[in-house]
Amino acid sequence: EEQLVESGGGLVQPGGSLRLSCAASGFTLSSYNMNWVRQAPGKGLEWVSYISGGGRTIYYADSVKGRFTISRDNAKNSLYLQLNSLRAEDTAIYYCARGYMGYWGQGTLVTVSS
Amino acid sequence: DVVMTQSPLSLPVTLGQPASISCRSSQSLVHSDGNTYLHWFQQRPGQSPRRLIYKVSNRDSGVPDRFSGSGSGTDFTLKISRVETEDVGVYYCMQGTHWPNTFGQGTKLEIK
Repeated sequence: EEQLVESGGGLVQPGGSLRLSCAASGFTLSSYNMNWVRQAPGKGLEWVSYISGGGRTIYYADSVKGRFTISRDNAKNSLYLQLNSLRAEDTAIYYCARGYMGYWGQGTLVTVSS
Repeated sequence: DVVMTQSPLSLPVTLGQPASISCRSSQSLVHSDGNTYLHWFQQRPGQSPRRLIYKVSNRDSGVPDRFSGSGSGTDFTLKISRVETEDVGVYYCMQGTHWPNTFGQGTKLEIK
């Protein structure tokens, strides 16, 4: 069964850091471009970042550029998002999504609060 | 950035009746490769989003055929031929043609 499982979320103070992981199983991650998408509590969906299958092409939303870093380890079938300089407005459920967003994980909640 | 505008934002529908959601983009979604990367997603309460339609009109595996997508350029529509209880949730369009990818605000479908 194909699965994407996010982890690494939690409560962090403003200015702090977190590293989110997305573990893929049941398929070969390297065959797919991957995305991170977030959803603030009670709000809509916001695309955050994209990385190509080989990791050479990367894009970020302006709201996270310079603070977040997407990466992948295809040997470990895993995708990552490093979150630095966190702000209250980064509070959200963070989802990893495969390809043209055809498959999503269950999400991991990041809460930025003092 | 490409702005995606959905309407209506709230959609009360009687069971068994049709429903339609409009999605308009601030610029053409035709990619230089000839494809139009306009997708539709459903998010049921408490669940992750699920893609229903990709590239305007292609239904994802397992999606009931009462869901259909159409449109071109800047104007797109998601139609549900006969609404069922399990269709309750929020529907989003998303463009993947231009960076950054952008979502519509979401349309909340409820049963009247």
